[in-house]
Amino acid sequence: DTGVSQNPRHKITKRGQNVTFRCDPISEHNRLYWYRQTLGQGPEFLTYFQNEAQLEKSRLLSDRFSAERPKGSFSTLEIQRTEQGDSAMYLCASSPSSRTDTQYFGPGTRLTVL
Amino acid sequence: QKEVEQDPGPLSVPEGAIVSLNCTYSNSAFQYFMWYRQYSRKGPELLMYTYSSGNKEDGRFTAQVDKSSKYISLFIRDSQPSDSATYLCAILNRDDKIIFGKGTRLHILP
Repeated sequence: DTGVSQNPRHKITKRGQNVTFRCDPISEHNRLYWYRQTLGQGPEFLTYFQNEAQLEKSRLLSDRFSAERPKGSFSTLEIQRTEQGDSAMYLCASSPSSRTDTQYFGPGTRLTVL
Repeated sequence: QKEVEQDPGPLSVPEGAIVSLNCTYSNSAFQYFMWYRQYSRKGPELLMYTYSSGNKEDGRFTAQVDKSSKYISLFIRDSQPSDSATYLCAILNRDDKIIFGKGTRLHILP
């Protein structure tokens, strides 16, 4: 499968715990995006990378959130000290830098914070 | 005012009917318009992409942009139960970000 993959698909955690999600983009895509989607809403932009450089972070991304893409391939999104309001679907997408309008999404990681 | 507005539905139509899904957007400078389809518990899938105004057709799907009224539409002909999903309209804004509408839940009744 050459699409965007995300792991884990589901994560249940207790409030206050740290969680980390992984995204593997389409191999030739140098842009990688993270979005958050809550029930009944469209995806909301969190941050994106051009290769290994994190170029922009949304105001939605509090200081408890950190994302990395160390070698310009896969990316991780970590949430520290999770809160119930962090419960959402976390989506990763990738695109070539020349076509930022056509992003390909992974299946998402559904986070439930108890 | 939100950049993209979309009625969340749900919208239920009988199999075989023509479906019309719509969104409005706020900024006349937007040029790139997309429709994504999202099945339950899956990531969004790019369905249609339109640059500027006019129509684009792909099989049973037609995307339409009316820049004068800042209105974008997706039409589905001969709707099938497998078309039941959430349809998200989206625009590429001035900051090169994709902004999504809330999505419209569509149910095609067999």
